Amino acid sequence: AQKITQTQPGMFVQEKEAVTLDCTYDTSDPSYGLFWYKQPSSGEMIFLIYQGSYDQQNATEGRYSLNFQKARKSANLVISASQLGDSAMYFCAMREMESSGDKLTFGTGTRLAVRP
Amino acid sequence: NAGVTQTPKFQVLKTGQSMTLQCAQDMNHNSMYWYRQDPGMGLRLIYYSASEGTTDKGEVPNGYNVSRLNKREFSLRLESAAPSQTSVYFCASSDGQGVAFYNEQFFGPGTRLTVL
Repeated sequence: AQKITQTQPGMFVQEKEAVTLDCTYDTSDPSYGLFWYKQPSSGEMIFLIYQGSYDQQNATEGRYSLNFQKARKSANLVISASQLGDSAMYFCAMREMESSGDKLTFGTGTRLAVRP
Repeated sequence: NAGVTQTPKFQVLKTGQSMTLQCAQDMNHNSMYWYRQDPGMGLRLIYYSASEGTTDKGEVPNGYNVSRLNKREFSLRLESAAPSQTSVYFCASSDGQGVAFYNEQFFGPGTRLTVL
């Protein structure tokens, strides 16, 4: 079974609108962390936001927020007020502390295109 | 601080040739990682090193060897390159603390390798 599933290979959003990128995960480890990374066309991996399994509140970082629904095992990324520079690949990733330590497992990514 | 650096940026090899990809970090991180990124596959872990002197296999270790030369440097060697190893290779590092702490992985710029 896939540990991280991103079901949207590609998405479009209009500039200035909000967009949600889906991520579901599968783990039996009680301690885990969820990460989102952005990969623009230049290729570098840019960390966006982190959510720990014990965090009570959803993480937010500027225009990025993480809609964490633990019971559903989902960790969707919400980008508010989309900008042209948000066009990129977005990867969801998970750390499972007990079973895999510091290692990250990545999803296959979602390519977001922001339309002017 | 340079962060995570990788050399070379691009490389073309013929089948059967060998080469070593170099990675260095200046953030005094304990953990270092090598990933490969193929279209539609996300990032997959090849090898990682939780601390100086230790290395462990990741998801796709076959055909690769690694050396954690010191705390700063973690190299990836292809002994006999195959076309299936054509990919983009990323090195990353992290602090290696518990999952209770926000602990992102910092990525290098990547090496684009083509094996003919």
